Amino acid sequence: QKEVEQDPGPLSVPEGAIVSLNCTYSNSAFQYFMWYRQYSRKGPELLMYTYSSGNKEDGRFTAQVDKSSKYISLFIRDSQPSDSATYLCAMRENTDKLIFGTGTRLQVFP
Amino acid sequence: EADIYQTPRYLVIGTGKKITLECSQTMGHDKMYWYQQDPGMELHLIHYSYGVNSTEKGDLSSESTVSRIRTEHFPLTLESARPSHTSQYLCASSEPDRGRTEAFFGQGTRLTVV
Repeated sequence: QKEVEQDPGPLSVPEGAIVSLNCTYSNSAFQYFMWYRQYSRKGPELLMYTYSSGNKEDGRFTAQVDKSSKYISLFIRDSQPSDSATYLCAMRENTDKLIFGTGTRLQVFP
Repeated sequence: EADIYQTPRYLVIGTGKKITLECSQTMGHDKMYWYQQDPGMELHLIHYSYGVNSTEKGDLSSESTVSRIRTEHFPLTLESARPSHTSQYLCASSEPDRGRTEAFFGQGTRLTVV
């Protein structure tokens, strides 16, 4: 069993939709949770960073962490075609070793 | 945008050739990493370095080698390329900031061995 599970999609939504991306994990020692966005033929860029449980909001993006359920989510409000990318969840213990999900490919059509 | 650069962006090379993938960062980060990414698969750590003259193998076994002679430079070398080495290679760097580690990635090198 993988440490981090992520639905690969693809997920196709119309412009303006609310998008929910999710990851589950098995290691209860994970404390730091991240979402990276990767455009086609580019490297991943950090989108959201959360420590422990709770919510974090940044513009149209909200990251949620539920450590009791070992479940993290990224919500995108008012999705735009420019949000079309692959979204990777990543997490780590109190070290710098990141464990990545496989990524969910999102397509937002006009 | 992060100041970490990888060259070349794309490389098609024949079997048996020696190749070096370059990675440089201008942020002064001590920690640098090489990941391998295949389509539909998670990123796998193949090498990392915590500073000059420090190199370690990652979780995914790789026939590549790395060196860290200067803080800003972390090249990856394949002595004899094979088709099984075809993949995307991503370089990253990070610097702890009050317990937070934020990994900055380069654009990646897409390697095809024919």
